[in-house]
Amino acid sequence: EDQVTQSPEALRLQEGESSSLNCSYTVSGLRGLFWYRQDPGKGPEFLFTLYSAGEEKEKERLKATLTKKESFLHITAPKPEDSATYLCAVQLPFQGAQKLVFGQGTRLTINP
Amino acid sequence: NAGVTQTPKFRILKIGQSMTLQCTQDMNHNYMYWYRQDPGMGLKLIYYSVGAGITDKGEVPNGYNVSRSTTEDFPLRLELAAPSQTSVYFCASSSLAGSFNEQFFGPGTRLTVL
Repeated sequence: EDQVTQSPEALRLQEGESSSLNCSYTVSGLRGLFWYRQDPGKGPEFLFTLYSAGEEKEKERLKATLTKKESFLHITAPKPEDSATYLCAVQLPFQGAQKLVFGQGTRLTINP
Repeated sequence: NAGVTQTPKFRILKIGQSMTLQCTQDMNHNYMYWYRQDPGMGLKLIYYSVGAGITDKGEVPNGYNVSRSTTEDFPLRLELAAPSQTSVYFCASSSLAGSFNEQFFGPGTRLTVL
């Protein structure tokens, strides 16, 4: 069964304290891995897409990496405005549409 | 561009009632999706559409129906509401499915069935 698991479920950091979020997956035929940010009461907002093992992408204080079994979202010197739930999703081969399987998310809190 | 809009934002239904969740996008996207998000769970795909007049089931379609008469609109219908349908519903759209384009999400509808 295709499965995406994120850890930890929740993470509380002090402002400036760097850390990493994990997304591990067991899927057949990965076509891409997506990271989204979700603020309370809002829909997910796209951050990154990673296509192949070894790929890295950066945006401000965030860097996403991908291996054959997992992805990491590294947060460097976070600020309170980085507080959100971070979702990862994998795209499966699916004729005619983009089928995404989502993890349950990591709720990140950055204290000032 | 307003992006993806959803109405209503909140709704309380009684068991057995029916309702339609509205979704509209103004980006001329061919692909549209309905997800539900339960606390502590990932988003689950309910139905999707690859264009006007074409829809198909996702992972959790039971208890729901959809239609797609225009490119812009993709309503989700609940015929006989049940407590298990209490959830937050998100509509999304994307321009292409074959490439790795991002999905754009609406703000969600929070539904409670009592």
